[in-house]
Amino acid sequence: DAKTTQPNSMESNEEEPVHLPCNHSTISGTDYIHWYRQLPSQGPEYVIHGLTSNVNNRMASLAIAEDRKSSTLILHRATLRDAAVYYCILRPRNSGNTPLVFGKGTRLSVIA
Amino acid sequence: NAGVTQTPKFQVLKTGQSMTLQCAQDMNHEYMSWYRQDPGMGLRLIHYSVGAGITDQGEVPNGYNVSRSTTEDFPLRLLSAAPSQTSVYFCASSYSQLAYGYTFGSGTRLTVV
Repeated sequence: DAKTTQPNSMESNEEEPVHLPCNHSTISGTDYIHWYRQLPSQGPEYVIHGLTSNVNNRMASLAIAEDRKSSTLILHRATLRDAAVYYCILRPRNSGNTPLVFGKGTRLSVIA
Repeated sequence: NAGVTQTPKFQVLKTGQSMTLQCAQDMNHEYMSWYRQDPGMGLRLIHYSVGAGITDQGEVPNGYNVSRSTTEDFPLRLLSAAPSQTSVYFCASSYSQLAYGYTFGSGTRLTVV
């Protein structure tokens, strides 16, 4: 299975943009890039996903490198509520029986 | 409200007792999974199902049984509870298509004494 590498932790000031990186150098052409986050004492929640093109939704933006070996989750204005562990996960397009498997993720701290 | 419902939210068991953690979803999702999360650690996959009547083992299946008799329900059974099973358990569900993300329940916090 293709693996992802994320920094253990990052820190951001409130109301500033945050760029959370993810390296996936062994990604295959059919792997989707998914992001989830887990707020303290809660279950994970889906944030965004993409294949090749950059993606935007109400929560965040996903920027995917042209060679697809890395991606960046962008929070445009961090709030205290965005403090969470963020997970970058690769999912094959034909995932079939492949479940969601979590790595260690990046713990984001937001400073007021 | 549509979503994944886990019961109970909290449970204390004695070593050797058995119990079932319930998970139900009302979104007609094909995929369902169980995870455990130990304090300060990441999520580890216990068992998963891609549809009614189909289950498979994840990373840490020992000590747990599952069945999927309906699309809606995916109970997790602890056969003989051990202190090492003290953890927070999360259930999740998803459509099979990758265009959709997984929806997680709020978790069951289990303590085995």
